[in-house]
Parts: sequence; C-alpha cells; structure tokens
Amino acid sequence: AQSVAQPEDQVNVAEGNPLTVKCTYSVSGNPYLFWYVQYPNRGLQFLLKYITGDNLVKGSYGFEAEFNKSQTSFHLKKPSALVSDSALYFCAITGANNLFFGTGTRLTVIP
Amino acid sequence: SQTIHQWPATLVQPVGSPLSLECTVEGTSNPNLYWYRQAAGRGLQLLFYSVGIGQISSEVPQNLSASRPQDRQFILSSKKLLLSDSGFYLCAWSVHGYNEQFFGPGTRLTVL
Repeated sequence: AQSVAQPEDQVNVAEGNPLTVKCTYSVSGNPYLFWYVQYPNRGLQFLLKYITGDNLVKGSYGFEAEFNKSQTSFHLKKPSALVSDSALYFCAITGANNLFFGTGTRLTVIP
Repeated sequence: SQTIHQWPATLVQPVGSPLSLECTVEGTSNPNLYWYRQAAGRGLQLLFYSVGIGQISSEVPQNLSASRPQDRQFILSSKKLLLSDSGFYLCAWSVHGYNEQFFGPGTRLTVL
C-alpha cells in the first residue's frame, strides 16, 4: 500500500530565508508524487508533481521539489521565503484511482 | 480551460436535517470526481470517488452518500446530518487516477 508522511506539523522560517517542507513516501513500484498548497478557507492548489525524469521538479510560485529515491523523500523547497507563502502544504502520492494525502504541514513565514 | 464549482460556499444546518452539496466541472469530459472532508483545517479524508456516470466508490462508511447523475456533476447528500458531519467539504476532479487533482473552492458546513 502507498502512503506519504509529513513529519512536521509546523515549520517556521524567516522571510528571505530558504524553506523546506519534508515529505517521505512508501510505495511498491514507481511513485507519482504531488505537492499542494491550501490558503485559509480555500481549496487546495496544485504546485508540482514528479512522474519520472529529472529529480528536481519546478512548480508554481517559485517552489521546487527534489525526488530522492534512496531516501524515499520528496521535499518541497524554495530559495527565499515570502510572507505570502504562509499556508498549509500537503504532499500526496497516487493510489489506484485517487491520491493519498499527508496530514499537512503548516508553514509560517515570519516577517 | 477547466473550472470546478461548488455550492453553497457556506451552510449552517440543524442536526437531523438533510444535506445536498453540488459540484460541477466545466471544460473537460469524463473526469474522475472526488469528495473529501477536511476537519479542523488539517488532513483530507476521501469520502467518495467516481470514474463515470452512476459509478460511485465509497471510502468511508457513514451517513453520507454520493451520486453522479451527469458526466460533470457530483452530488454529496445526507438524509439526516450529525454533529460530526461538520467540516470543510472539497470536490476535486482529475483526468484519471494517476494525474493531479484540481480542487473546488469548498463548502464550509456547520451542523448545530
């Protein structure tokens, strides 16, 4: 069975500093991995996905994620955090007909 | 381009009352459709998904039901709401199960 884990409920980072939101996965076979962001009282917005190919995936709003097969990780990164990046972030992995989501990590960027 | 609509945006209902939430998708055909519930602004719980008209898969047994009367319409219903049904309900669509899902704006349901 496939699953993802987000080990941090909360991540705080100063504005302008690099940010990392962690995600690890478990799957038999090749994973399809996704990152989403959710702002308060809004639906989830798709940020990026990894299907195959280059391990560094670039997405929306300057975010990128690095797929690491040996560590079974898919961490979300951004070189310089903005206050507007403060939100809830979800990692997800494909199932047979749906996605399995992590529990979410709340990112707070401190001015 | 594709868009997904949900209504109503907010709903306050008494315990024991019925429920009907509607989701429609525009700009695509034969999408996979999904209903999620999010409690307390955290994790997503998949409630139902559908790969075609009249085809509904239930992930969690409860007093909710779903229907897909048309290709791009997905309805979440209940005959009698419980306090525990309160939450943020999200509808999503995808081209198929292995693709990214695109979410609607959500419905905030409060059961009193």
